[in-house]
This record gives sequence, structure tokens and C-alpha cells, in this order.
Amino acid sequence: KAGVTQTPRYLIKTRGQQVTLSCSPISGHRSVSWYQQTPGQGLQFLFEYFSETQRNKGNFPGRFSGRQFSNSRSEMNVSTLELGDSALYLCASSAPQQGNYGYTFGSGTRLTVV
Amino acid sequence: AQTVTQSQPEMSVQEAETVTLSCTYDTSESDYYLFWYKQPPSRQMILVIRQEAYKQQNATENRFSVNFQKAAKSFSLKISDSQLGDAAMYFCAYRGGAQKLVFGQGTRLTINP
Repeated sequence: KAGVTQTPRYLIKTRGQQVTLSCSPISGHRSVSWYQQTPGQGLQFLFEYFSETQRNKGNFPGRFSGRQFSNSRSEMNVSTLELGDSALYLCASSAPQQGNYGYTFGSGTRLTVV
Repeated sequence: AQTVTQSQPEMSVQEAETVTLSCTYDTSESDYYLFWYKQPPSRQMILVIRQEAYKQQNATENRFSVNFQKAAKSFSLKISDSQLGDAAMYFCAYRGGAQKLVFGQGTRLTINP
């Protein structure tokens, strides 16, 4: 069974640009969550999607957005990039009603904003 | 809002020995789940063990076990017979009614051969 796949693994962008990150969950998993990991702030919840609907959102500015497609694949977009957006972005998926059993994470996308 | 605190930024242990990582959390909820995740240099977060708050029995997964003290809001991880492959960042996480994981700041575990 394939794991959670995140693409790309590394990305370098310039301030002011926008970026789109992709996450393909485990087959059958309909919930996809996104987390930002930085040395200073640690791991912070961005948002969660379930069946193409945003079910929960963290405390991030509107520049951070996401969506989920009918095949459960998810994308997150960051517009007008700032230096502080440099981070590891992790995606996690879980089966319906099984979030309490833990989420399966991908290996993340390392975003560097210069 | 729920918070999770890991008071040990770094820990080290000799191979084959036992180490305990500490975690405390703050919540007013009665129904929640607690997790320990491991993040090796490959960056992928790997679930180590989980605990349901309504269960008094401490969870165990092979060499990994927890000491869950609900009243004290404490959730420590014990790793027995430490192996070189256990070296990683370990994160304690809470999941309650908000349906999201709240993580601690992590503990970097080093295994000395």
C-alpha cells in the first residue's frame, strides 16, 4: 500500500511569488491535514479537508489556502510568499472515523523563500 | 486552547538502556487521544504509540510503552532496550474535539553506541 506522497520534496521560491504543494493520501483515506513545521514555532496545524470540504482551519493568514479533489488528493497554496513562510510542510491522511488511530504523514515539502 | 509541553529538548541514552521522554498537556476536555510520533532525518513523522484518554491501561507497542497519568495530565514515553535506529526527534501530540493534532516542541533523542 503506497504511503502519503508529497511533491515536490524541495522548493525554492522568491518573496512575493506564490507556490502550490501537492499531497496524495493513502488510497481510501478521505481526510487530509496540513501542518507547517519551523524551528521556532514547531508543528502548527494549517487546515484539514474531508470529502472536498475544509473541515477545520488553523490560525494562519488568508495567504494560505487549500483544496481537496474528488480523488482525495489535496493541494495547498501560499500566495505572496514571505521569508517567514520558509518551512517544512507536512501532509497527513487518515481513514474516515480513524483519525483517532493516528495520522499517516508524508515526508514533507521543504520550502525555502529567498 | 490545548497545549502540549515537552520539557526535555534533548536526551541521550546508551544503546540497550532505557530512556523516558516526558510530556505534559493542558486541556479541559475529557475525551481525547494522545500520541507519540517519531521524526527521523528522513522527515517523515512515524506514529510510535497512541493512548485513548478513557482507557486507564497504559498502551504498549513492543519496546515502547507509555505512562499515562490523566489527573496529572502527563503522558511519558519509555523506550526499553534502546537501539541506534531509535535516534530521532520525538513529538508528543494531543487530539481532542477540534479534530487536529496539537504537538509539543519535540525531544531530540541520541543513542550512544
